[in-house]
Amino acid sequence: DFVMTQSPLSLPVTPGEPASISCRSSQSLLHRNGYNYVDWYLQKSGQSPQLLIYLGSNRASGVPDRFSGSGSGTDFTLEISRVEAEDVGVYYCMQAGQTPFTFGPGTKLEVK
Amino acid sequence: EVQLVESGGGLVQPGGSLRLSCAASGFTFSSYEMDWVRQAPGKGLEWVSYINSRGSAIYYADSVKGRFTISRDNAKNSLYLQMNSLRAEDTAVYYCARDRSGEVGRFDVWGQGTAVTVSS
Repeated sequence: DFVMTQSPLSLPVTPGEPASISCRSSQSLLHRNGYNYVDWYLQKSGQSPQLLIYLGSNRASGVPDRFSGSGSGTDFTLEISRVEAEDVGVYYCMQAGQTPFTFGPGTKLEVK
Repeated sequence: EVQLVESGGGLVQPGGSLRLSCAASGFTFSSYEMDWVRQAPGKGLEWVSYINSRGSAIYYADSVKGRFTISRDNAKNSLYLQMNSLRAEDTAVYYCARDRSGEVGRFDVWGQGTAVTVSS
């Protein structure tokens, strides 16, 4: 199974400042079709998770362009160019290529 | 509006059974793969089970294999999770999620979740 790790697990950020979350997989997520099967989800307090980024770097519908994803193989990054108060929550990366789909432990972003 | 609504959660004793349902609306349910994902109190997300659009391909997490059964009724636009031999560690909020095969994201629509508590 793919084991996903994230760092940091807690991320205090000043509004307007950038933020970056790292995600690492125990095995390569690069498929032979050239796509990296990693998703990023945000779960706000008391809410269901929502899809932010798919295939490593594609923003889901309606996701603001301050969110971006990058990386390939085993190392991925979610970046927020300028954090806003509404970005508070727990961010999860997930291996999306094959079952069992596995999530990282989550990174809790808080605004200072 | 695309929507998933779970129901059927509740309090059950260890060893007991529960059947969760997920009602889909706003999209052609029969064309989509579906999954169950759970979240234990204060913990992260854990994928539980997958079913393809026709119900002919099914997968489970090792933690629930042999105890849980996923199924669907495309005529009723509904997804189910039959949970047997429940354990305390099955206590969680259970979400159903629409599965896009990873091509545009794996889980692009989530329900609001239904809480399951396994306790005596």
